[in-house]
Amino acid sequence: IAGITQAPTSQILAAGRRMTLRCTQDMRHNAMYWYRQDLGLGLRLIHYSNTAGTTGKGEVPDGYSVSRANTDDFPLTLASAVPSQTSVYFCASSERPRGRGTIYFGEGSWLTVV
Amino acid sequence: AQTVTQSQPEMSVQEAETVTLSCTYDTSESDYYLFWYKQPPSRQMILVIRQEAYKQQNATENRFSVNFQKAAKSFSLKISDSQLGDAAMYFCAYRSAERIQGAQKLVFGQGTRLTINP
Repeated sequence: IAGITQAPTSQILAAGRRMTLRCTQDMRHNAMYWYRQDLGLGLRLIHYSNTAGTTGKGEVPDGYSVSRANTDDFPLTLASAVPSQTSVYFCASSERPRGRGTIYFGEGSWLTVV
Repeated sequence: AQTVTQSQPEMSVQEAETVTLSCTYDTSESDYYLFWYKQPPSRQMILVIRQEAYKQQNATENRFSVNFQKAAKSFSLKISDSQLGDAAMYFCAYRSAERIQGAQKLVFGQGTRLTINP
């Protein structure tokens, strides 16, 4: 089934460690996104990419970096994890960065920083 | 900046009955899209229904329908004949359709947890 694959599905990480959350989509969508979900706050955009080779900052980019070397992959890196980055992380994609395209979500990665 | 507000943190309904989830939003734009997403315990975000702001007709998907009031900036979700599988967190979301720089991100409300009582 076509869609978005995230890995790992869950991870416990020591503070200060580096971590990369992987995201791959097979729908050939141009735009990809990383959101974090925290209780009572809904989902907030961390970083986005409108097309391969470009990235941009969302609402809460500090402490995170992304790359978009090709259309399918959009990894999210925490350079030095802190407990406030404990959250559920969702990768998402849409056919176009603007307009009526629906945004599709992966199944999430639950990250706990201790 | 756009904001989305869901004023009902929790709702419950008897199985087979109808429930309405509220959502209001604030924007100065005229062209945008509104969505309802469902998030069951599996955490997966599932698109339930979408409404284009330029359409006056309310969107419908089987047992799910919306009441879109553009002037009032209101976008409620009605679930008819509620089923146990409808139990989930429901998120209202807004996405601009205007041609501006940057990603046309989804702006989410805080969510409403829906419980279905058998």
